[in-house]
Amino acid sequence: AQSVTQLDSQVPVFEEAPVELRCNYSSSVSVYLFWYVQYPNQGLQLLLKYLSGSTLVKGINGFEAEFNKSQTSFHLRKPSVHISDTAEYFCAVKTSYDKVIFGPGTSLSVIP
Amino acid sequence: NAGVTQTPKFQVLKTGQSMTLQCAQDMNHEYMSWYRQDPGMGLRLIHYSVGAGITDQGEVPNGYNVSRSTTEDFPLRLLSAAPSQTSVYFCASSYSQGETQYFGPGTRLLVL
Repeated sequence: AQSVTQLDSQVPVFEEAPVELRCNYSSSVSVYLFWYVQYPNQGLQLLLKYLSGSTLVKGINGFEAEFNKSQTSFHLRKPSVHISDTAEYFCAVKTSYDKVIFGPGTSLSVIP
Repeated sequence: NAGVTQTPKFQVLKTGQSMTLQCAQDMNHEYMSWYRQDPGMGLRLIHYSVGAGITDQGEVPNGYNVSRSTTEDFPLRLLSAAPSQTSVYFCASSYSQGETQYFGPGTRLLVL
């Protein structure tokens, strides 16, 4: 069965520091990959997605992610975080059966 | 566009009671889904629909029913509430299965 792993459940980082949130997936076929963000007491919204083409994907709010097929990873990065980036981040993969599987989430806490 | 709307925002039930969580979207999306979000477990798919009149089970369907009589609405019914159903419930829609999903604000349910 296909799965999504987010290795870090919680990531504290100081304001203006860089951050990387890790995501690995298990799949032997082509996939679509997504990162969603959930701000406190809100629903999820799309940050960015990889469908095909360039392996470096840019999203909203200065986030970017790099698709690495050989390592089956799709890590999310931001060079300088802001207090407003404090949120839960979910990696998701569209499987070969057109279903979307979400990872368990990473809670990013930005420290002033 | 209102996007995806959910009612109620909060609900407290007693064990054994039944209720319906409402979900509506005004984007003419064919695909709609219900997830539950529990700490450390990410989002788990309860039921989904690929179009009016068509529904299917997700990962955790037991204790829940759905129907899709129109493109816009996708209610989730709890038949006999149990404390294990205490969770935050999210409805989502997308143009088609596996594409970017748009989430509602969630319903926070407490079963006593």
